[in-house]
Amino acid sequence: DVKVTQSSRYLVKRTGEKVFLECVQDMDHENMFWYRQDPGLGLRLIYFSYDVKMKEKGDIPEGYSVSREKKERFSLILESASTNQTSMYLCASSLLGGSSNQPQHFGDGTRLSIL
Amino acid sequence: DAKTTQPPSMDCAEGRAANLPCNHSTISGNEYVYWYRQIHSQGPQYIIHGLKNNETNEMASLIITEDRKSSTLILPHATLRDTAVYYCIVSVRDGGATNKLIFGTGTLLAVQP
Repeated sequence: DVKVTQSSRYLVKRTGEKVFLECVQDMDHENMFWYRQDPGLGLRLIYFSYDVKMKEKGDIPEGYSVSREKKERFSLILESASTNQTSMYLCASSLLGGSSNQPQHFGDGTRLSIL
Repeated sequence: DAKTTQPPSMDCAEGRAANLPCNHSTISGNEYVYWYRQIHSQGPQYIIHGLKNNETNEMASLIITEDRKSSTLILPHATLRDTAVYYCIVSVRDGGATNKLIFGTGTLLAVQP
C-alpha cells in the first residue's frame, strides 16, 4: 500500500514564525502535492512538484514556498505565518501519469493553528 | 471551480448498496472521473477512477454513462465505516503529465444501522 506520512498531526505556531511542514512518501512517486482544506472551500492546491528540485504553483501559492531536495520528501514552508493560514494541510503523491492517469494518494493531514 | 455536481447528503441502510450520483456534463474527452472519500479527521482516500468504461475494484464499482455526462459510485454492501464525505472529481491535466484534482463539496453519506 502507498504510504504518505506527514510529520505532525497537530501543530500550533505563532504569527510571524517560519513554519515547516514535512511530507514523505515511500512509493517512489514522481509527483507530490500540497493542499489546504478549509470548511466550505474544499481542498485547494498550493504547490506541486513533478521531480526533484522542480516545483509548480497551484491555485493559492501566496505566502507559501516548497522544497523538494529528495524524491521522497516534499516540504511546505510558511515564510511568515499569519492567522489566515490556520488550516488543515494535506500532502499527496502520485506516479507521473504521462498519457494515462494516476491517482493521488493522501496523507492524514496536519492541522495547523496560527495564534 | 469544481466541474462536478453531487447531492450534499444521502442516507443508506447498513448492508444495502449505496449509489452515489455525480453529474459532470462539461467533461472533456480525455478527462477521467475520480472518486475519493474522506472520513472525519483523515486525509482523502482514493476509491476508483475511470475514463469511459465501467470499473470495479475491491472497494466499489464505477458506472459511467455512455455520453460520460454522469456517473454513479456503487458501494455494494455499505457498512457503518463507509460513513464519509464522497468526492466525485474530474481530473484536469495541467499542461504536462500532472493531473490536478479539483475537489468540490462532495456528498456526505451516512450509513444507518
